[in-house]
Amino acid sequence: EDQVTQSPEALRLQEGESSSLNCSYTVSGLRGLFWYRQDPGKGPEFLFTLYSAGEEKEKERLKATLTKKESFLHITAPKPEDSATYLCAVETSGSRLTFGEGTQLTVNP
Amino acid sequence: DVKVTQSSRYLVKRTGEKVFLECVQDMDHENMFWYRQDPGLGLRLIYFSYDVKMKEKGDIPEGYSVSREKKERFSLILESASTNQTSMYLCASSLRSSGGGWQFFGPGTRLTVL
Repeated sequence: EDQVTQSPEALRLQEGESSSLNCSYTVSGLRGLFWYRQDPGKGPEFLFTLYSAGEEKEKERLKATLTKKESFLHITAPKPEDSATYLCAVETSGSRLTFGEGTQLTVNP
Repeated sequence: DVKVTQSSRYLVKRTGEKVFLECVQDMDHENMFWYRQDPGLGLRLIYFSYDVKMKEKGDIPEGYSVSREKKERFSLILESASTNQTSMYLCASSLRSSGGGWQFFGPGTRLTVL
């Protein structure tokens, strides 16, 4: 059974304090790993797709990396507007995603 | 921009009622999905459809059914609502060529069953 585990469950940072979120997975054939951002009361919004170990993607203050067992979402010099829940998901077969439970990030000014 | 809309943001129903949740997407996507999201459990797939009139069970299909009569519309049906179906329901769509991962989500329907 495919499993996705995200840590920590919650993270509180000061503005400008860089950190990383972790997504570890055990799957039987990874087709892609996806990061989403979800704001309160809204649906998740797509951020990144990673397909193979060693791949990296960047967008503004966010950088996603992938190894054979886990992915990291690095947040550099975060701002309060980066506060959200970040979801990790894996695609294995049949166009289906398995999601982790998410990391709730709060960035204080 | 892809737009996925859901018929209601908030819904309150009574136990035993039949409930319809509607989802419409405007980008000609083949794949459509229904999830529920609960604290501590994350997003769980209920049903998905990769074409008109086609449907596949997800991880938690019990107590639910779906209908896809038109490409742009995917309906989730709770045949007889129960209190344990109180949840946030999210609809999503994606292009078949992009696989399942690049999904566009609607704003969600928060359903309360009393």
